[in-house]
Amino acid sequence: RKEVEQDPGPFNVPEGATVAFNCTYSNSASQSFFWYRQDCRKEPKLLMSVYSSGNEDGRFTAQLNRASQYISLLIRDSKLSDSATYLCVGGTGNQFYFGTGTSLTVIP
Amino acid sequence: NAGVMQNPRHLVRRRGQEARLRCSPMKGHSHVYWYRQLPEEGLKFMVYLQKENIIDESGMPKERFSAEFPKEGPSILRIQQVVRGDSAAYFCASSPRGTRASGRAVLDEQYFGPGTRLTVT
Repeated sequence: RKEVEQDPGPFNVPEGATVAFNCTYSNSASQSFFWYRQDCRKEPKLLMSVYSSGNEDGRFTAQLNRASQYISLLIRDSKLSDSATYLCVGGTGNQFYFGTGTSLTVIP
Repeated sequence: NAGVMQNPRHLVRRRGQEARLRCSPMKGHSHVYWYRQLPEEGLKFMVYLQKENIIDESGMPKERFSAEFPKEGPSILRIQQVVRGDSAAYFCASSPRGTRASGRAVLDEQYFGPGTRLTVT
């Protein structure tokens, strides 16, 4: 079983829509969680850390549910520039475990 | 403040040659991580280094692959006798601290370089 799993999508949403991604992790000892975005053939860029109490950064909200071992990312008022692959990351020990990514395309 | 730098950005090697990939972390960062990304796959951890020390190399193949982070200069990922299956994007990431809080394995954010795309012909 993979350490981190996420729905690959693709998610195709109209501009202005709200979209949510979920990601599950298998290791209950994981302590660190992040969302990264990766544009085609580019490096992953840190989007936000995910804290136990949940956190918000502008149009982006991240949540952590330890009981069910999943994290989520909510994007409100989608912009064309949000089109990318979103990577879920769980950290255990010295390692980051990346999901394979969820593809989002925002359509005009 | 320059970001993480990697070179070369693209590298073509014939089977059996050696590949050397370089990574200079962000200023003030002393923790370096190497990842490999195959097409349609997620990033896979390879190795975690601090200056002059390999902390965790559990993700790196035992043969042909080695990594170092000397006291002076960039971190280097070295692949000897490359094979076609080594073709991938290799990303380096750095962080200021390996863990954010003492006593708990709370990993610090990692910042990625632009990657080196290795093609083995």
